Amino acid sequence: GAVVSQHPSRVICKSGTSVKIECRSLDFQATTMFWYRQFPKKSLMLMATSNEGSKATYEQGVEKDKFLINHASLTLSTLTVTSAHPEDSSFYICSAIWQGARDTQYFGPGTRLTVL
Amino acid sequence: GEDVEQSLFLSVREGDSSVINCTYTDSSSTYLYWYKQEPGAGLQLLTYIFSNMDMKQDQRLTVLLNKKDKHLSLRIADTQTGDSAIYFCAEGGGGNKLTFGTGTQLKVEL
Repeated sequence: GAVVSQHPSRVICKSGTSVKIECRSLDFQATTMFWYRQFPKKSLMLMATSNEGSKATYEQGVEKDKFLINHASLTLSTLTVTSAHPEDSSFYICSAIWQGARDTQYFGPGTRLTVL
Repeated sequence: GEDVEQSLFLSVREGDSSVINCTYTDSSSTYLYWYKQEPGAGLQLLTYIFSNMDMKQDQRLTVLLNKKDKHLSLRIADTQTGDSAIYFCAEGGGGNKLTFGTGTQLKVEL
């Protein structure tokens, strides 16, 4: 159990376009999901907390209008990078909290975004 | 603020034990975690320890927690080449947020 998927696993887009990344909890329901960003050889930086049925909570310094988060159901959260620029290129990882497992976070496999 | 530190790199020979260390600053953490990340992949939860425990063993993995010194370690017995990866410790803060360490790259040599 506790599988989290992300789609797509890899995306290349042109500067100025928008990209949507999906995060799904496959075998459990998650009222809370998190979105992280990871730079090469660096740790994970929390971007925002995604709450089912309500607005996401963004960390300081993260532009909410640029990184749109929608948590429309108990198994799906989406992150849309709007008007992407090369500096948005990164590895984006989501996680979902499984309340049935002491609120443990389970992570998706990540999405590699490259903006040309 | 919260700060979690790890040494950046560890190299061991296959069959030896590996010990990865982590220091943290938030004494209110309820759980402390160890995650493994292989190249180009997400994070895999390896094990966790509740803050009122000193030690937890799970097959080849042993977690030691020194709450007084805010020091956490992960020992991998009989290290194999498949254990080569980046290992992150993380502490559970308020609102289920995790603060991750800087990551330790483990290299297992034959």
